Amino acid sequence: KAGVTQTPRYLIKTRGQQVTLSCSPISGHRSVSWYQQTPGQGLQFLFEYFSETQRNKGNFPGRFSGRQFSNSRSEMNVSTLELGDSALYLCASSAGTGLMNTEAFFGQGTRLTVV
Amino acid sequence: AQTVTQSQPEMSVQEAETVTLSCTYDTSENNYYLFWYKQPPSRQMILVIRQEAYKQQNATENRFSVNFQKAAKSFSLKISDSQLGDTAMYFCAFIPGGGADGLTFGKGTHLIIQP
Repeated sequence: KAGVTQTPRYLIKTRGQQVTLSCSPISGHRSVSWYQQTPGQGLQFLFEYFSETQRNKGNFPGRFSGRQFSNSRSEMNVSTLELGDSALYLCASSAGTGLMNTEAFFGQGTRLTVV
Repeated sequence: AQTVTQSQPEMSVQEAETVTLSCTYDTSENNYYLFWYKQPPSRQMILVIRQEAYKQQNATENRFSVNFQKAAKSFSLKISDSQLGDTAMYFCAFIPGGGADGLTFGKGTHLIIQP
C-alpha cells in the first residue's frame, strides 16, 4: 500500500511568485491536513480537508489556500511568496473523519525555499 | 487555544538505557487526544503512541510507554532499551476531540542515542 506522496520534494521560488504543492493520500483516506514546519515557529496547522470540504483552518493569512479533489488528492497554494514562507510543508492523511479518530500518516514533505 | 510545551530541547543517552521525554500541555477541553511523533533525519513524521484523555490507562507500544497525568496536564514518553534507530526529533502533540485547529505540536526534543 503506497504511503502519502507529496510532490515536488524540493522547490525554489522567488519572492512574489506563487506555488502549488500536491499531496496524494493513502488510498481510501478521505481526510488530508497540511502543516508548515520552520525552525523558528515549529509545526503549525494550516488546514484540513475532508470529502472536498475545508473543515478546519489554522491562523495563516489568506495567501495560503488549499483544495481537495474528489479522489481525495489535495493541493495547497501560496500566493505572493515571502521569504518567511520558506519551510517544510507536511501533508497528513487519515482514514476516518479526522485525526482524532484514526492514525495520521505523514508524507515526506515539500521543502520550499523562497529567495 | 491549546499550548504544548516540551522543556528538553535535546537529550543524549547510551544505547540500551531508558529515557523519558517530558511534555506538558494547557487546555480547557475535557475531551482530547495526545500523541508522540518521531521525526528522523528523513523528515517523515511517524506516530509513536497515542493516548485518549478519557482513558485512565497509560498507552504502551512495545518499548514505548507514556505516563499520562490528566490533572497535572502532563504526558511523558518513556523509551526502554533505547536503540540507535531511536535517534530522532520527538514531538508531543495535542488535538481536541472536535478536531478544531488540527494538531498542536510542541517544539520537539532532539533525542540522541549514543553507541
